[in-house]
Amino acid sequence: DQQVKQNSPSLSVQEGRISILNCDYTNSMFDYFLWYKKYPAEGPTFLISISSIKDKNEDGRFTVFLNKSAKHLSLHIVPSQPGDSAVYFCAASSKGDGNKLVFGAGTILRVKS
Amino acid sequence: GAVVSQHPSWVICKSGTSVKIECRSLDFQATTMFWYRQFPKQSLMLMATSNEGSKATYEQGVEKDKFLINHASLTLSTLTVTSAHPEDSSFYICSARDGASGGAPYFGPGTRLLVL
Repeated sequence: DQQVKQNSPSLSVQEGRISILNCDYTNSMFDYFLWYKKYPAEGPTFLISISSIKDKNEDGRFTVFLNKSAKHLSLHIVPSQPGDSAVYFCAASSKGDGNKLVFGAGTILRVKS
Repeated sequence: GAVVSQHPSWVICKSGTSVKIECRSLDFQATTMFWYRQFPKQSLMLMATSNEGSKATYEQGVEKDKFLINHASLTLSTLTVTSAHPEDSSFYICSARDGASGGAPYFGPGTRLLVL
């Protein structure tokens, strides 16, 4: 049973345009959501997070939106750069479960120059 | 920012041998560390939660006698794959959270294990 789902295995975007990565979750107990960027054979790098008490968090080119009623979150990258090309993982956790991260399957983002 | 290191970065071993992987938090103390495994083109799967000074908590389906975890200090957790077999070949990643400052867990660079 996948509690965190990233239904798009890959996304291709032109440099300078917006990249939108989507994530859905099923566990209503999740109260903290994160996005990580990962290159092959490396550990994930933290990008941005959002608490369930918020619906938006912005950090530079990265913005995460949370829609609790739809159990959906998205990561917007604007403007997209070729260096953003990587695998992006959505993750969720709950205080009641020891803050363990549950990861989605990942979305491969390719930014074309 | 906070850094988590892993050693070794890759290891090749014969079937039946044991392999130890170290995870260190370099500039913060972590009472809890997490061990993940990632198979090719798949997501990161949590294996166990490593607790300093107490027994690790294993996820369902993970054999605790095969994947031994020791969290001897606030900056070091080790994962030992005992009697490794080819199906244990994977990418093992640890993460740690700075309990003092909170925030998102930081991940190590991972260890690639190949069992022949």
